[in-house]
Amino acid sequence: QSVLTQPPSVSAAPGQKVTISCSGTSSSIGNNYVSWYQQLPGTAPRLLIYENDKRPSGISDRFSGSKSGTSATLGITGLQTGDEADYYCGTWDRSLKAVLFGGGTKLTVL
Amino acid sequence: EVQLVESGGGLIQPGGSLRLSCAASGFIFSSYAMSWVRQAPGKGLEWVSGIIGSGGGTYYADSVKGRFTISRDNSKNTLYLQMNSLRAEDTAIYYCAKGQGSGSFNELHYWGQGTLVTVSS
Repeated sequence: QSVLTQPPSVSAAPGQKVTISCSGTSSSIGNNYVSWYQQLPGTAPRLLIYENDKRPSGISDRFSGSKSGTSATLGITGLQTGDEADYYCGTWDRSLKAVLFGGGTKLTVL
Repeated sequence: EVQLVESGGGLIQPGGSLRLSCAASGFIFSSYAMSWVRQAPGKGLEWVSGIIGSGGGTYYADSVKGRFTISRDNSKNTLYLQMNSLRAEDTAIYYCAKGQGSGSFNELHYWGQGTLVTVSS
């Protein structure tokens, strides 16, 4: 089953900004909302962004999301060592009638 | 407070069967779609299956279609995953997750802690 495409890893210094991309198709990202999840080591994933750019209550405004066409982007500003985690994008694919996740991006805060 | 508690994982031989359960609390269970998502050791997330709030619609990843069956008992606030013909590649932590709305799987707002399934002889 096809997946959404994310870079395997990104890194930046504390206090800096990083973006993580997520590429899909017209049947996935192109026609559905995108969500982003954070998975800290040894824990279950948690929702960071839903409906492309909305944050659940309790999620810091340092996290932001956007979507354009068949791609989406997660932005994290003011990086902290506690942000080191794996980040996944996800969306519904209307052709497959299934949820797709990206392969995950490991964030390292140097 | 929303709580999702999975159970039923364990060690099972290839070709065997296992049923996972997810006990839900803190919300009106029948009003929300639910999903199972798995994560193989050291790998990424893979959505396995979803079921709408009423239980009338079910969806599966190609990798489990015909082998796994998702169901729910809204009177018991419990989600199930019946897994048959298990393979080594089904080894993973299985999470249950709550959707937003009765028919949407696109955003998983709450996740359980997961239950480990190991398929090995």
